[in-house]
Amino acid sequence: GNSVTQMEGPVTLSEEAFLTINCTYTATGYPSLFWYVQYPGEGLQLLLKATKADDKGSNKGFEATYRKETTSFHLEKGSVQVSDSAVYFCALSDGGSYIPTFGRGTSLIVHP
Amino acid sequence: EAGVAQSPRYKIIEKRQSVAFWCNPISGHATLYWYQQILGQGPKLLIQFQNNGVVDDSQLPKDRFSAERLKGVDSTLKIQPAKLEDSAVYLCASSRQISDDPSPLHFGNGTRLTVT
Repeated sequence: GNSVTQMEGPVTLSEEAFLTINCTYTATGYPSLFWYVQYPGEGLQLLLKATKADDKGSNKGFEATYRKETTSFHLEKGSVQVSDSAVYFCALSDGGSYIPTFGRGTSLIVHP
Repeated sequence: EAGVAQSPRYKIIEKRQSVAFWCNPISGHATLYWYQQILGQGPKLLIQFQNNGVVDDSQLPKDRFSAERLKGVDSTLKIQPAKLEDSAVYLCASSRQISDDPSPLHFGNGTRLTVT
């Protein structure tokens, strides 16, 4: 079955540091890949997505590239802010079942 | 556009009691999902509707959980009787439709259930 594996958190960084959150997946076919973010007290919201190999999704300074050869979709940001503190979820939705599968989430804490 | 609405926001019940959650998706979204998110884990799909039909409910504990979307718009999720391990946040999400390019999900703020 489909699965998503994310790096364990929490990830603790100082403001303006570089961020990488690793995500790898297992899926049949050619899935679409997503990053969702959950700010404290709020619901999950889409951060970015990529629908085919080598696509790069980007939003709010975050980027992730769909790497089919390594089945990965790592999230990066060049300079994090305190307001980026949240839980980040990697997810996939394959073309067969269309049922979204989520990773367990990675908590990011950014200190001033 | 208005977002996905869920109520109540919080609920505390004793084990063996029953509880119901309500969700109103974004207008025009055909697909509706109920997820269970236990603390420290990712959301786990309980049931997926396409209009008023069930697409997948393979992970729904049917001996105690039930869900309906009678008119293809809003939905209710019920637990009867509740167990301690049902303590979680119950998330409702909607998306436009199942298609060749899966649409992203729009989530509500969730209902935090505590079973004592």
